[in-house]
Amino acid sequence: GENVEQHPSTLSVQEGDSAVIKCTYSDSASNYFPWYKQELGKRPQLIIDIRSNVGEKKDQRIAVTLNKTAKHFSLHITETQPEDSAVYFCAASIGYSSASKIIFGSGTRLSIRP
Amino acid sequence: NAGVTQTPKFRVLKTGQSMTLLCAQDMNHEYMYWYRQDPGMGLRLIHYSVGEGTTAKGEVPDGYNVSRLKKQNFLLGLESAAPSQTSVYFCASSYNRDSGPTEAFFGQGTRLTVV
Repeated sequence: GENVEQHPSTLSVQEGDSAVIKCTYSDSASNYFPWYKQELGKRPQLIIDIRSNVGEKKDQRIAVTLNKTAKHFSLHITETQPEDSAVYFCAASIGYSSASKIIFGSGTRLSIRP
Repeated sequence: NAGVTQTPKFRVLKTGQSMTLLCAQDMNHEYMYWYRQDPGMGLRLIHYSVGEGTTAKGEVPDGYNVSRLKKQNFLLGLESAAPSQTSVYFCASSYNRDSGPTEAFFGQGTRLTVV
C-alpha cells in the first residue's frame, strides 16, 4: 500500500525567511498530492494541492513542486510570517474509485522565530 | 451548511467499554474517512468509504468497525476499548472526481481517552 514519508519533523525559521518541507511517496499510481495546515487545537485545512499532470503550482507565498520520477514533492513557503506557525501535513492519493484513500505523512511542526 | 460534524467532541471510556463516533456531512460527498491523530505520528487512516454501503480498511483498522448506511453518515465503532485507542479522531469527506478524491474537509475532532 501507499506510504508517505515527510521531513523534517520540526522546522524553525526566522520570520521573513523561506521554509521547505519534503515528502516522498511509494506508490507510483498516486496522482493527487494535497498539503494541509493544522493550527493548535484545530482541524487540518487544505492550503494547496497538485495533481500528477502538473510539475509546480503556486498560490501567493506558497508553492508545491512534484517530481514524479523520483516520487517526491515539496512545499515551499516564502517570506514566512508568524501566522505560518503550525503543523503541516503532506498526503498522497491514488485516483481511482476502488482505492481512493488519502494517506498522510507524519507532519512537520513549523515555528517562525520573530 | 455545517460541513463535517463529529459527535461527541470529548469522551472518556473505561477499558472494555464500547462506543460509536458519528460523522455527518451535508456536502453530498462520496468519500468519507476516519483518521486517528497521535503525537508525532500524523494522521493515520483507520477505515474509509468510497460510497454509500461500502467500506474499506485503512492503515490501522484493528479494533475498529465502520458502517456507511447513509451517504451523509459514517460511523466508527469501538467494540472493546483499549488504552492504546486513546487518541484524537478526525472524520473527513471529499468530492469524487473522475481522477479520484479532491479536497478533504475535516470535522472538528473527537478527543477520546480510554482509562
